[in-house]
Amino acid sequence: GQNIDQPTEMTATEGAIVQINCTYQTSGFNGLFWYQQHAGEAPTFLSYNVLDGLEEKGRFSSFLSRSKGYSYLLLKELQMKDSASYLCAVMDSNYQLIWGAGTKLIIKP
Amino acid sequence: EAQVTQNPRYLITVTGKKLTVTCSQNMNHEYMSWYRQDPGLGLRQIYYSMNVEVTDKGDVPEGYKVSRKEKRNFPLILESPSPNQTSLYFCASSPGTAHTDTQYFGPGTRLTVL
Repeated sequence: GQNIDQPTEMTATEGAIVQINCTYQTSGFNGLFWYQQHAGEAPTFLSYNVLDGLEEKGRFSSFLSRSKGYSYLLLKELQMKDSASYLCAVMDSNYQLIWGAGTKLIIKP
Repeated sequence: EAQVTQNPRYLITVTGKKLTVTCSQNMNHEYMSWYRQDPGLGLRQIYYSMNVEVTDKGDVPEGYKVSRKEKRNFPLILESPSPNQTSLYFCASSPGTAHTDTQYFGPGTRLTVL
């Protein structure tokens, strides 16, 4: 079966750096997405990786290793507004998105 | 403003009473889909549509129907709702089906079936 694994919850301090990991086992691979979802709101797009390596976008970076079935989202200079759930999703060989359950990130002052 | 809208945002109903959740997008997107989101589970796709008059089942289609008569609208129909359909529902759209296309989500509909 297809599976996306991410930690359920993480806690970090304002101003620090946090890394949220995602491992996947899917039928084929056509890219990996990260979305941010604040409580009670819709998910919003953060990043897309299809090739191995690091993609940097401001305070957020996303890394992919296809051989290891692994990705991480790196958040720097954490702000209170970064408190949210972070969803990892993989597009499989049928171009269907398989979603992880999400990682709830709690930021403490 | 480019957006995906859903109505209603909140709904409490009773078992067996047919309901429709509307979804509309103003971005001329070809691809639209419905998801449900439950605690501890990822977003699960119910149905999707690649274009007008083309709909396909997602991972959890049982108990749901959809239609795509116009490009902008993609309503979700529960003919006979049951308590296990209590969930948070999201409609989403994207320009096409290219793997680089990001999805734009509606604000969500919180449905409770008693």
